[in-house]
Amino acid sequence: QQQVKQSPQSLIVQKGGIPIINCAYENTAFDYFPWYQQFPGKGPALLIAIRPDVSEKKEGRFTISFNKSAKQFSLHIMDSQPGDSATYFCAASHDQTGANNLFFGTGTRLTVIP
Amino acid sequence: NAGVTQTPKFQVLKTGQSMTLQCAQDMNHNSMYWYRQDPGMGLRLIYYSASEGTTDKGEVPNGYNVSRLNKREFSLRLESAAPSQTSVYFCASSEARGWSTGELFFGEGSRLTVL
Repeated sequence: QQQVKQSPQSLIVQKGGIPIINCAYENTAFDYFPWYQQFPGKGPALLIAIRPDVSEKKEGRFTISFNKSAKQFSLHIMDSQPGDSATYFCAASHDQTGANNLFFGTGTRLTVIP
Repeated sequence: NAGVTQTPKFQVLKTGQSMTLQCAQDMNHNSMYWYRQDPGMGLRLIYYSASEGTTDKGEVPNGYNVSRLNKREFSLRLESAAPSQTSVYFCASSEARGWSTGELFFGEGSRLTVL
C-alpha cells in the first residue's frame, strides 16, 4: 500500500512554465515532508522540505504548498528551466521514528522544453 | 568530497547467483540505508542501520541480507538472486538519530540485472 500518492507520473512544460506536482497522504502522524530531485544516472538529492506548522515554503524558484486538512502537499517550480528536467519524489515521515520510516511517492518525470 | 560511494555501478547476474553491493560514506553519519528503485514504484526501503552495530528490516527485506561493517560501511547481499531483484539499488546515509529525521544523502546507484 502506497503511503504517499504522487501525481502526475510525467509532466512536460515549456521553458518559463510552472509545473505543479501533487502528493497526498493518509497517515496524520506524518510531520516531515521533503522533496527529492533526481537527475538521470544520479541518486536523489534533497531539494526542499516542509513541516506541517507552515502552509508554504519557498527556496529560490521552488515552492512547497501544504494543506494539512486535505492531507496534500505540492511542489511548484516557478520560471522552469531545461536544467530542471529531472524526476521529483515527494516523501513523508513521522519524525518520532526518524528517517527510518521515510516513505517516498512514485516519482514524477519532469521535462522542460527549451 | 566523495559522500556516499557504491560499488559496483553495474552488474549482471544469473538466477541463483549471489553477490554483495558495497557502500561507504565519509560524512561520519550514524544511519545508513539501502533502497531499491523500480519504475512506477518509487524508492522502497530494504534495510537500514540506525547506528553502528544495528540493522533493521525495511519495507521489502525478503531475499536480502545486510552487514554494517563499521560506521562507514554498509553492505547489501543477495544470497540467491531472482529476476524480481532486477532493480537500481541506492545506498544512503543520514544524521538521523532516533526521533530526528535527517536529510538523506544518496550514492549514484548500482544497476543490477538478474537473468
